[in-house]
Amino acid sequence: DAGVTQSPTHLIKTRGQQVTLRCSPKSGHDTVSWYQQALGQGPQFIFQYYEEEERQRGNFPDRFSGHQFPNYSSELNVNALLLGDSALYLCASSFLPGQGYEQYFGPGTRLTVT
Amino acid sequence: AQRVTQPEKLLSVFKGAPVELKCNYSYSGSPELFWYVQYSRQRLQLLLRHISRESIKGFTADLNKGETSFHLKKPFAQEEDSAMYYCALMPGAGSYQLTFGKGTKLSVIP
Repeated sequence: DAGVTQSPTHLIKTRGQQVTLRCSPKSGHDTVSWYQQALGQGPQFIFQYYEEEERQRGNFPDRFSGHQFPNYSSELNVNALLLGDSALYLCASSFLPGQGYEQYFGPGTRLTVT
Repeated sequence: AQRVTQPEKLLSVFKGAPVELKCNYSYSGSPELFWYVQYSRQRLQLLLRHISRESIKGFTADLNKGETSFHLKKPFAQEEDSAMYYCALMPGAGSYQLTFGKGTKLSVIP
């Protein structure tokens, strides 16, 4: 089991563009959470998907949206990119979204907005 | 809203010395607390959680609800402990997002 995988590894976009990041959860996991980690900061929760629905959302604007597919993989979309969106985007998966279920993290996608 | 504070950005200790990484949190309910670790060129991984009360790689952490702290301790630091450590909180009761501190970089000097 490769664990949580994310693609691409690195991405460079221009301000105003749109980007899609992808995540495949660990085998047996059905819940995917996305986090943004700016340089020198801890990961910040964006949203969580379970049963193909957004179950919880952090303090991020509507420019950030996502999707979960029937195979539990997930996408994070960011529209109208800003320079401040430059960060490492982490995907984490777990079995069920509840308390007591460990979240496993992927290696992240490094997004640079110029 | 919940908050996690890790007051030290960088902590340097000599090999064999005791280590204590501080974590304070603010949340009105009964959250679940975690320590995550990120070794060089590796992904973020769970080190330990307060409900399991176990010792992982010699590390322990005790939840002090009175002081709202969850400090990470190890009696004798090893060089392989050098890494970035993040304290995190999960509120529970229907909210399962992790709130992380800014992290402490532990450097163990040989």
